[in-house]
Amino acid sequence: GENVEQHPSTLSVQEGDSAVIKCTYSDSASNYFPWYKQELGKRPQLIIDIRSNVGEKKDQRIAVTLNKTAKHFSLHITETQPEDSAVYFCAATPRGFSGGYNKLIFGAGTRLAVHP
Amino acid sequence: DTEVTQTPKHLVMGMTNKKSLKCEQHMGHRAMYWYKQKAKKPPELMFVYSYEKLSINESVPSRFSPECPNSSLLNLHLHALQPEDSALYLCASSQAFGQGTRSYNEQFFGPGTRLTVL
Repeated sequence: GENVEQHPSTLSVQEGDSAVIKCTYSDSASNYFPWYKQELGKRPQLIIDIRSNVGEKKDQRIAVTLNKTAKHFSLHITETQPEDSAVYFCAATPRGFSGGYNKLIFGAGTRLAVHP
Repeated sequence: DTEVTQTPKHLVMGMTNKKSLKCEQHMGHRAMYWYKQKAKKPPELMFVYSYEKLSINESVPSRFSPECPNSSLLNLHLHALQPEDSALYLCASSQAFGQGTRSYNEQFFGPGTRLTVL
């Protein structure tokens, strides 16, 4: 089955710096890769996602890149702000999951701290 | 309405109690999910309902019993839980395959029920 590894487990940056979180997946048939942000005591919220037919996607200060050959994808946050501090989870979903829904396989999470 | 709601927000129960968690969405999604999340860990899938039918049970102990009475509601019935079942229980919903032209992949999470088993 699919396995997703996420690094680093913790990341500390100064406000205004960039932050990069990397994930690798094992199932080459996976076709959807979302990133969720979870603030303390809150629900996971989707911040950006990418499909296997796209190499890069950007939304303001957030971007995701996908390398299908190497089976890894990364989250890039530029000009970090203190409110970016949270736990970030990557996930992958296998292709052809025929039950009419999708099963997300999550990475272990990265705790990002942005210091003023 | 783009929200998934869950009740109660907090629940404390003894090992002999019976309680239920409730989840509701009005986005017209036909796939609904229960996850368990322990502190500092990612969400762990428990059950998936697709078009109101149970599609996945990730080998969850029978003391957890899901129910999907209609396309907007998802319940999780709890009985004879153990202290190690204490966790945040998250509900999520998404479009199911065949619904509209948008991707069925994006899952929307509810705020969760924080469960403590004494």
